[in-house]
Amino acid sequence: DAGVIQSPRHEVTEMGQEVTLRCKPISGHNSLFWYRQTMMRGLELLIYFNNNVPIDDSGMPEDRFSAKMPNASFSTLKIQPSEPRDSAVYFCASSFGAGNYEQYFGPGTRLTVT
Amino acid sequence: AQSVTQLGSHVSVSEGALVLLRCNYSSSVPPYLFWYVQYPNQGLQLLLKYTTGATLVKGINGFEAEFKKSETSFHLTKPSAHMSDAAEYFCAVTSRGYQKVTFGTGTKLQVIP
Repeated sequence: DAGVIQSPRHEVTEMGQEVTLRCKPISGHNSLFWYRQTMMRGLELLIYFNNNVPIDDSGMPEDRFSAKMPNASFSTLKIQPSEPRDSAVYFCASSFGAGNYEQYFGPGTRLTVT
Repeated sequence: AQSVTQLGSHVSVSEGALVLLRCNYSSSVPPYLFWYVQYPNQGLQLLLKYTTGATLVKGINGFEAEFKKSETSFHLTKPSAHMSDAAEYFCAVTSRGYQKVTFGTGTKLQVIP
């Protein structure tokens, strides 16, 4: 299996621009997680989906952030408008529920907002 | 609510020495516990996990961890450090039926030649 795929790997954008991060989970996994990692705040869970339905979005920082999962093989995290404080590494992870709980992480997208 | 505390954000050991990374958890229900490793510029990958059964669990790369309920601990050990073990290690907790996983703040392991 190819593992969790994220694109782009690096994104540099200017403040105010829209940013879309993409994730393809491992085939057969029914849960998907979006995390943000920074030096100051560590690893933060932003949102997670189960069977394509958002279950917990309490970690989404503010309305500028939105996430969708239109089907089992694709998810997006959008930031509009972006701000310099959004600069971080964003990880997508997937897992197969039913008592497993292991999460498989993608390589991350390093976002820099100038 | 569940939480994990990792003692020491940075740990240095000599090559060949014992590795001990500490993790204490808080959970009102029986926990499921994990250790993940993150190498530079990569995502996290699972080292080992405890759900039920044997309290001493073995993982990849010679690591192991012991679940001690009385001490609410799940410390990670490796008898002999290798240079390739230099990475950041995260302890994490969840529980049965609860897919959200809470991660610790991480411990960066430095291995000195």
